[in-house]
Amino acid sequence: EVQLVESGGGLVQPGGSLRLSCAASGFTFSSYAMSWVRQAPGKGLEWVSSITGSAGTTYYADSVKGRFTISRDNSKNTLYLQMKSLRVEDTAVYYCAKDKVVGATRGWFDPWGQGTLVTVSS
Amino acid sequence: DIQMTQSPSSLSASVGDRVTITCRASQTISSYLNWYQHKPGRAPKLLIYAASSLQSGVPSRFSGSGSGTDFTLTISSLQPEDFATYYCQQSYSTAPLTFGGGTKVEIE
Repeated sequence: EVQLVESGGGLVQPGGSLRLSCAASGFTFSSYAMSWVRQAPGKGLEWVSSITGSAGTTYYADSVKGRFTISRDNSKNTLYLQMKSLRVEDTAVYYCAKDKVVGATRGWFDPWGQGTLVTVSS
Repeated sequence: DIQMTQSPSSLSASVGDRVTITCRASQTISSYLNWYQHKPGRAPKLLIYAASSLQSGVPSRFSGSGSGTDFTLTISSLQPEDFATYYCQQSYSTAPLTFGGGTKVEIE
């Protein structure tokens, strides 16, 4: 069974940093693109970032470009999101998601993890 | 960026009703349109990919149609477990990938 388990969320002050992790199991992690998607309180889903299976290519939303860095360790089956210069508007539940199609970045997210809450507040 | 517009933003329906949700893209996206179901406190779930392909394990009462800029998600006979928020998402442009604003389906 494919499982994605996020961790690393918490309360951080504006301007602070946080690193999220997503532990993957049940599939050949290195063969699939992975993504982060967030949901702010009372809002809809917002794509944040994606990374190819080989980690050769990364993509970012304009709202996080230059502040967030997506990476992966295929030897540990783990996806990361390093977040710096955090803003109040970054407060959200952050989900990791696996691309449905092996070897491609299709943007078909299946499955998703349960999410981890990041709260940016003073 | 490709903007995705869903309608309605919310609807009330009864068990057994036929429900239709629409999604419009700001430019043509061929069939690169996906639908997700999201319940509070749960992980979002892929229902339909490539506009009309049913994800494995998803009940056949869910169906998707459309191409170009206009798309539809239909639930043929609403069940109690279908009350949730539904999102469309375009995957024509890898960056940014964009979601519609969501449609909340509530019990009438």
